[in-house]
Amino acid sequence: EPEVTQTPSHQVTQMGQEVILRCVPISNHLYFYWYRQILGQKVEFLVSFYNNEISEKSEIFDDQFSVERPDGSNFTLKIRSTKLEDSAMYFCASTGQDSYEQYFGPGTRLTVT
Amino acid sequence: GESVGLHLPTLSVQEGDNSIINCAYSNSASDYFIWYKQESGKGPQFIIDIRSNMDKRQGQRVTVLLNKTVKHLSLQIAATQPGDSAVYFCAENTNAGKSTFGDGTTLTVKP
Repeated sequence: EPEVTQTPSHQVTQMGQEVILRCVPISNHLYFYWYRQILGQKVEFLVSFYNNEISEKSEIFDDQFSVERPDGSNFTLKIRSTKLEDSAMYFCASTGQDSYEQYFGPGTRLTVT
Repeated sequence: GESVGLHLPTLSVQEGDNSIINCAYSNSASDYFIWYKQESGKGPQFIIDIRSNMDKRQGQRVTVLLNKTVKHLSLQIAATQPGDSAVYFCAENTNAGKSTFGDGTTLTVKP
């Protein structure tokens, strides 16, 4: 069964550093998303991406965040200057056309020290 | 703003019993709802969905009920098994596809 993959599984970084979280969505999917989940809390929407541009973003997704689909398979989330409060699980998800069913990756645990 | 919430943070049931997990939503314009299961250390997993023009939908061992009058959503799991132990989230989807998650209910199945 096709699945969304994410790398790395765990990223530790110092405050102020840039991080790039990587995702490979399911190959024929067209809609891509990033969510985050602070430990013990609910999953929060960050951004959706379609047709090589952001279609929607939340208040969390400020100027420190950016997304990119550099090639036909990868989908990345960059945090330009990490803060302690960016520590969370970051999930990538993708959806095919004419479907609301989102497939989530296993997540990247980001720890900012 | 819109929000989707759950009534109980935890639920404990005996193996073999039926489980009912509840969710209240506030956006009356919502037209699509999903239940997700999240096991420890994993991403959310789609369980079942329902559109606002329906009041019930059944899957394998799971049923989702939607009451638009009181803006209430529930997930029923029949013959609950230890493998059903997880956190369950209801979520509301928009046309853009993003899911707005509720707070989650931790289901524990006792053998």
